[in-house]
Order: sequence, then structure tokens, then C-alpha cells
Amino acid sequence: QLQLQESGPGLVKPSETLSLTCTVSGGSISSSSYYWGWIRQPPGKGLEWIGSIYFSGGTYYNPSLKSRVTISVDTSKNQFFLMLRSVTAADTAVYYCARQGEGLTWGQGTLVTVSS
Amino acid sequence: EIVLTQSPGTLSLSPGEGATLSCRASQSVSSSYLAWYQQRPGQAPRLLIYGTYSRATGIPDRFSGSGSGTDFTLTIGRLEPEDFAVYYCQQSGSSPLTFGGGTKVEIK
Repeated sequence: QLQLQESGPGLVKPSETLSLTCTVSGGSISSSSYYWGWIRQPPGKGLEWIGSIYFSGGTYYNPSLKSRVTISVDTSKNQFFLMLRSVTAADTAVYYCARQGEGLTWGQGTLVTVSS
Repeated sequence: EIVLTQSPGTLSLSPGEGATLSCRASQSVSSSYLAWYQQRPGQAPRLLIYGTYSRATGIPDRFSGSGSGTDFTLTIGRLEPEDFAVYYCQQSGSSPLTFGGGTKVEIK
């Protein structure tokens, strides 16, 4: 059964870079059928798609975040990664990774707080 | 960007009643790329319906999806206690992927 697990620091200082890892188990990230994506949810608010990556490295991003986001992949480790630069308090959210195919299959999420 | 508008914002119902949730898109969405999710408090969203009509693995048949073009509907046949949650629609036919603002189904 496919599982996705986010990991990374729970606290990031303003102006610094948020870095998260998504580890995929129970399936190969090199499958040609899927993209792999990041979505976030500020506390008490709705869902915002950040961007997605294909196993070959092709990416597409939400224009609202594109200037600050990089998503990358390491197929040898079955992992993909999120970097969000120059964070502010508005980037405080639960960050989810997901497999993007026939709908989204989600990780459990990780709360990242931006605060000094 | 395709904007998805969900209505109502909150639905107050009793267990055993049926629920009808609406999702309206600002532009036409291919039926292949419209999905619905359930989110319980403190949990990640869970895929219910993909491709407008298809139930995800393990989803009970009291959940059904319908619609086309710009108007889509999630119907819950008879509400069980575990169905009281927030529901989101989402489209992946056009970048950026977008979500509706959610409908909260609460116990009356």
C-alpha cells in the first residue's frame, strides 16, 4: 500500500528557507503514471497547491509561489523535496506531499511554523 | 486559473439524512479531472471521488459524484457519524491545480 511521509524542521525563521522531504514507500516514484506534488494548508484555512514534479525532473509550479519554490526528486532514494525561500509568517501551514494521478493520495502532513 | 466555488459553506444535518454538496467552476473542467476529498479534524484530506464519478478504493457507495462542464455535485446518501467533516473539490485539468473553499458538514 502506498505511503507518503513528510519530514523536516517544524520551525523556520523569517527570511530563511523551508526545506521538506517526502519519502515514498509501497510504490516507485519512477512510475510513469504519476506526478508528485506539494500542497499546503494554513491553520484553519483551505488547501493551496504549491507545485509538482515528474520522476524525470520536469516541474510545474503555482504562479503565486513560483519565484520562491524549487521541487526536486531523488529516484534512488524514492524521495522528492520542497524548498521555499524567503519565508514569512504567511507561509506557516501544514505541508502535505501527495501522489498525483487519479486524484491525490496524501501524506499525513507536517506543520511548519515560521517564527523568530 | 480556474476558481472553484463550493456551496453551501456549511451544511447542518442529522445522521441518516442525505447531503448534496455543490462545486462550481469559473471555466469548464474536463470530467476526468474533478475530484472530491474529505477532511476530518486533525487529519489529512482523503480521496473520495476522482474523475467526477469514480469512488476511490474503500469508499462506501453512499458517496457518489456527478456533473459536467462547470457544475459538479457530491452526494452522500445517508450520513453516518464519521461523515461529519469538511469536503473539498479539486480540479487538475488546468494548471495551477486548484481547490474549492470547502463545505463543512456539521451535526444539526
